[in-house]
Amino acid sequence: GAVVSQHPSRVICKSGTSVKIECRSLDFQATTMFWYRQFPKQSLMLMATSNEGSKATYEQGVEKDKFLINHASLTLSTLTVTSAHPEDSSFYICSASRLGVGGYTFGSGTRLTVV
Amino acid sequence: SQQGEEDPQALSIQEGENATMNCSYKTSINNLQWYRQNSGRGLVHLILIRSNEREKHSGRLRVTLDTSKKSSSLLITASRAADTASYFCATGRNRDDKIIFGKGTRLHILP
Repeated sequence: GAVVSQHPSRVICKSGTSVKIECRSLDFQATTMFWYRQFPKQSLMLMATSNEGSKATYEQGVEKDKFLINHASLTLSTLTVTSAHPEDSSFYICSASRLGVGGYTFGSGTRLTVV
Repeated sequence: SQQGEEDPQALSIQEGENATMNCSYKTSINNLQWYRQNSGRGLVHLILIRSNEREKHSGRLRVTLDTSKKSSSLLITASRAADTASYFCATGRNRDDKIIFGKGTRLHILP
């Protein structure tokens, strides 16, 4: 079955630093990858949609200069949280849509804590 | 942005009972999906129902879709302790397009 690997699963960083989160589709090519953020006991909020080789499309209210998304290949998308602040502490989850097949496979998430 | 609402927000039932969760949405859709999330973990896809379908079954799960009312329900029969989790509906307007999640229902199965 389709597997999406997300790394790291947990990260703690200092305020002002940047953190990169990777999302890889292991056994399929992902046309599109999506990035979500989830605060405790809340739902998943879509942050952006990324297509391989093109600029990401950000949802309203999401700062594109703060949350840098790169989708360099059909199997890898990265989310970089720049100049992190404690309010960026959250659970970040990616999902990938399979080329020609559709459907969505989710990564296991990254717990980011900014101290 | 969020598409819709699930109700109830939280549900506690005895093991063996059936659990029903509802989801309402606002815009026209191509499909509606249900996901499960254990605490602090990733999402598990449970079932997808297309806009031209009214009911779908998968094991102990039964999903209905009423596009005229813009609502869906998820029924889990003969609940087990392992069913304790948060359940989310998510809607897609086109195949392969982004999906938007509802607020979720936290289900707790009591032993």
